[in-house]
Amino acid sequence: NAGVMQNPRHLVRRRGQEARLRCSPMKGHSHVYWYRQLPEEGLKFMVYLQKENIIDESGMPKERFSAEFPKEGPSILRIQQVVRGDSAAYFCASSPGQGAIGEQFFGPGTRLTVL
Amino acid sequence: QKEVEQNSGPLSVPEGAIASLNCTYSDRGSQSFFWYRQYSGKSPELIMFIYSNGDKEDGRFTAQLNKASQYVSLLIRDSQPSDSATYLCAVNVLTGGGNKLTFGTGTQLKVEL
Repeated sequence: NAGVMQNPRHLVRRRGQEARLRCSPMKGHSHVYWYRQLPEEGLKFMVYLQKENIIDESGMPKERFSAEFPKEGPSILRIQQVVRGDSAAYFCASSPGQGAIGEQFFGPGTRLTVL
Repeated sequence: QKEVEQNSGPLSVPEGAIASLNCTYSDRGSQSFFWYRQYSGKSPELIMFIYSNGDKEDGRFTAQLNKASQYVSLLIRDSQPSDSATYLCAVNVLTGGGNKLTFGTGTQLKVEL
C-alpha cells in the first residue's frame, strides 16, 4: 500500500490523558501536513513539516499540541492533557515537495474521542 | 469574509444530470485550486486541481477557474448516486512556509434516482 498511512484509526482518551497520532507519508513524499476536522466543520490546517523541521505551525493551538517528523519513522501529532473539545478527526496529508501545484494526498484519519 | 466560501447545500440533482458546485476565494495571491470529495466518515479524496484560467476536463469532471472573479467551480456530468458526497474546495497560496491548503466547509451533493 503506497498511500498515506495513519494510526490508530480510532483513539479514545479520558480528559487529561495524552494522545499520540502517527502518520507515514506516501512513498517518495517528504512533506507532511496535519489538519483537524471538527464535527460539522471544515478542514483546518494545523502544521506543515519536513523531515526534522517544522515549516509552518500557524494553525497549531498554542498549548498542549506539538508535532514532529523525525529523520526516521512517522510524523507524530501529540496532544497533551486532552479536553473534550479536542474530539475530532485528525487527518494527515503528504506531498512530494514544495512546488507551484501543491496537491496533497490524505490518509484515512484518526478519529479522537475524549471522554 | 471567509477565505474560501462554498454553499453548504444540500444540492440535489437527478441521476444523469449535471451537478454544478461553486467556490469563491478571497486571497488574490492564491495559485492552485483543488476539489476533494469526502464521503461521510471518510477522508478527503483528490478529484482534480486547476491553476490556469479556463476549463480543465478529466472524465466526467470539469474544473473551471476565473481568477479575475476569484471563482472556481466543479461540474460533474452524468451524475451518479455514487457521486453523493461532500465536495471540498481548497486553495493554495505558495509562501515561504510551503503549500498550506485552505478549505471551504464543503457542499453536500445528493444524486437522486
